Amino acid sequence: SQKIEQNSEALNIQEGKTATLTCNYTNYSPAYLQWYRQDPGRGPVFLLLIRENEKEKRKERLKVTFDTTLKQSLFHITASQPADSATYLCATRGGADGLTFGKGTHLIIQP
Amino acid sequence: GAVVSQHPSWVICKSGTSVKIECRSLDFQATTMFWYRQFPKQSLMLMATSNEGSKATYEQGVEKDKFLINHASLTLSTLTVTSAHPEDSSFYICSARRGSSYNEQFFGPGTRLTVL
Repeated sequence: SQKIEQNSEALNIQEGKTATLTCNYTNYSPAYLQWYRQDPGRGPVFLLLIRENEKEKRKERLKVTFDTTLKQSLFHITASQPADSATYLCATRGGADGLTFGKGTHLIIQP
Repeated sequence: GAVVSQHPSWVICKSGTSVKIECRSLDFQATTMFWYRQFPKQSLMLMATSNEGSKATYEQGVEKDKFLINHASLTLSTLTVTSAHPEDSSFYICSARRGSSYNEQFFGPGTRLTVL
């Protein structure tokens, strides 16, 4: 089964800089990867989806890349703000159409 | 659009009792809903897939007799934790799929269950 790995250590970034989060998958190349934001005590909120045949996807200050050679997706937040502080989850299709998630990376944007 | 609600948002119960959690899609019909569980600092783990009008499909290691799922309508799925024990204390999150695209899943705000 597919396994999603994210660096669950907290990532501290200075406000205004670009935050880059990493998601690695271990087995077959998934048809797509999704990125979610999760705030404490809340459910995940969908941010972006990137398909296997797409190199890059953008949405406002967010950018996601998909590298099938490295088995990796990178998630970038440009011009980061303290309000961007949250846990960011990477996910792909899992069993019975549900999603398989990574543990998430806790991002802290320091003013 | 695409709002999913859960009720209650938190619940505390005694060991041995049963707890029901509701998941509703408020502005769309969902033929498929999913139930996840998340322990502190862990990833969301899929428990089961709930299809309207049919039996739920459970992931390996999830006891179907303990976690009863009912998807009686296109906007409501319920998860009942029967004979709850402290180890069942967790954050339960549902998601609903809009349309036939497996990409579009919308998550509820979660239910915090604490079993004393």
